[in-house]
Amino acid sequence: EAQVTQNPRYLITVTGKKLTVTCSQNMNHEYMSWYRQDPGLGLRQIYYSMNVEVTDKGDVPEGYKVSRKEKRNFPLILESPSPNQTSLYFCASSFQRGTGELFFGEGSRLTVL
Amino acid sequence: QKEVEQNSGPLSVPEGAIASLNCTYSDRGSQSFFWYRQYSGKSPELIMSIYSNGDKEDGRFTAQLNKASQYVSLLIRDSQPSDSATYLCAVPHSGAGSYQLTFGKGTKLSVIP
Repeated sequence: EAQVTQNPRYLITVTGKKLTVTCSQNMNHEYMSWYRQDPGLGLRQIYYSMNVEVTDKGDVPEGYKVSRKEKRNFPLILESPSPNQTSLYFCASSFQRGTGELFFGEGSRLTVL
Repeated sequence: QKEVEQNSGPLSVPEGAIASLNCTYSDRGSQSFFWYRQYSGKSPELIMSIYSNGDKEDGRFTAQLNKASQYVSLLIRDSQPSDSATYLCAVPHSGAGSYQLTFGKGTKLSVIP
């Protein structure tokens, strides 16, 4: 089954404790991206990757890091989480860079206390 | 900053009626446009894409595009309670090397039985 898998789905953590949200896709997609979704602000792009070892900032990259060492994986790293990073996070992938046809993961709800 | 604007709603329509959802965008160079549906607590899923001026029909859904007016809409005919969801408009950025995708904040649709 074609899918984008995120882990963890739910996480409560404390300020400053480094965490990683993993994302893996099994569709051999070139393009992967991370979004956060907040009430009243909609979906906002954090980082995206056009292919292995190629990443770039989206609209709200502050406080986040990413890496793309393998085509299937695109982890999101919060080095020192803060309460304003409490959000619902979505990973998405697409067969082709530059297209808006995204497949989304189920989301990861993160709470930073 | 590329902007994508949608009426937040909620938009309420009776079962069987036509629901009309609207989206405007600021990037004159954008060439492709996408509609996503997001049920409460779920991830967005792609329902329509449109690339050329005019109408594109897929079952009960029709996407309409007017690039001169920078306007794209989604019509849902014979609306069903199962269509109750938030509808997101998404527009890729134009320009060489740009692989960002901007979402509108979404319009919440309620179909009343």
